[in-house]
Amino acid sequence: QVQLVQSGAEVKKPGSSVKVSCKASGVTSSTYAFSWVRQTPGQGLEWMGGINPLFGATNYAQKFQGRLTLTADESTSTAYMDLNSLRSEDTAIYYCAFGGWFGIPFDPWGQGTLVTVSS
Amino acid sequence: NFMLTQPHSVSESPGKTVTISCTRSSGSIASNYVQWYQQRPGSAPTMVIYKDNQRPSGVPDRFSGSIDDSSNSASLTISGLRTGDEADYYCQSYNSSIDVFGTGTKVTVL
Repeated sequence: QVQLVQSGAEVKKPGSSVKVSCKASGVTSSTYAFSWVRQTPGQGLEWMGGINPLFGATNYAQKFQGRLTLTADESTSTAYMDLNSLRSEDTAIYYCAFGGWFGIPFDPWGQGTLVTVSS
Repeated sequence: NFMLTQPHSVSESPGKTVTISCTRSSGSIASNYVQWYQQRPGSAPTMVIYKDNQRPSGVPDRFSGSIDDSSNSASLTISGLRTGDEADYYCQSYNSSIDVFGTGTKVTVL
């Protein structure tokens, strides 16, 4: 079955950007998608957006439009999340998930990447 | 867009049954499938129900899902409660290219 492994924790300064990777293994379909969901400390889950690597199509939550860029490398089944203009409120665990593309369930999930934004 | 509202917390004794509600603020709950995710402390979420009432392989039949048009809500029921079920549970649905997660419910096994 599909497994997702994310890159390690990051500490960033306000105003900078962060790029988190998510590598999938066990992918058997040529049509799939990656989604990104974040969880701020002690809070719930927040959908950020998704990408369909086959078509290079992306879908972003309005809240992150202009600050978030999702990319993917189909040859390595790896997705990337790039968030810029970081502020302290972006301190969160960022999860990638398989699916989540226009109604497809989010399954499975990566282990999460803690991004800390602090001066 | 719409919101999914869940009770903040529920608690019950081992062996008992708990039901978590997920109320959609606008639009019909039946118009898009509802999924449920379990998140144990310090872990990533895992899916326990998809397409309103389907269980992924490996999820015990103690977990069941349903939707109710009259209350415009979905429900997750956990029967035969075990200490390992103690976790946060989130509902999730979709509409017009937007995915929405519920506010989350903490289940405590007394």
